[in-house]
Amino acid sequence: AQSVSQHNHHVILSEAASLELGCNYSYGGTVNLFWYVQYPGQHLQLLLKYFSGDPLVKGIKGFEAEFIKSKFSFNLRKPSVQWSDTAEYFCAGPNTDKLIFGTGTRLQVFP
Amino acid sequence: GAVVSQHPSWVICKSGTSVKIECRSLDFQATTMFWYRQFPKQSLMLMATSNEGSKATYEQGVEKDKFLINHASLTLSTLTVTSAHPEDSSFYICSAREGGNSYEQYFGPGTRLTVT
Repeated sequence: AQSVSQHNHHVILSEAASLELGCNYSYGGTVNLFWYVQYPGQHLQLLLKYFSGDPLVKGIKGFEAEFIKSKFSFNLRKPSVQWSDTAEYFCAGPNTDKLIFGTGTRLQVFP
Repeated sequence: GAVVSQHPSWVICKSGTSVKIECRSLDFQATTMFWYRQFPKQSLMLMATSNEGSKATYEQGVEKDKFLINHASLTLSTLTVTSAHPEDSSFYICSAREGGNSYEQYFGPGTRLTVT
């Protein structure tokens, strides 16, 4: 069965700290994976995506994610977070025909 | 960039009545539209997928007679919650995708439905 799971439900960081949010998937075919961000009161926005090729994917606002096939993972990273990164982050996949969303990670960044 | 709008942004209705939510792609033609439901502090759950001019495909557990979806044009899809009950109160989000090789879904801002 296809699934997408996120391990971290709530993460609290200080500005300039590094961030890594976990995402794992279950799917036997070719994967397409996404990270979305939902800022307070706003709609979902695409941060980055993986379809094929370089497993290290760079997205907007300094975010990147690494696809590790052997670990069925697609973790989101940012070397130095800012207060404006406070939002809900969703991993989604595993293919584009029907997106399954992870449960989301609420990130709070304090100045 | 591609913009998807939803109307209304929030609605309150009485139990037993029906409510219609519109989803529009403003600057592109959406071959496929998706309807999601999001409960408080939870993730998005796909309810149905609709292709323009075709009947919607509903996910398991979603009552197609209760959640009527119409995708009559390439820029508009509607979700009608019929005979609404308090348990239907939720946040409904639509997304739209262009045809061809396009993969990205563009999300609307969501509609908050409260059934009293």
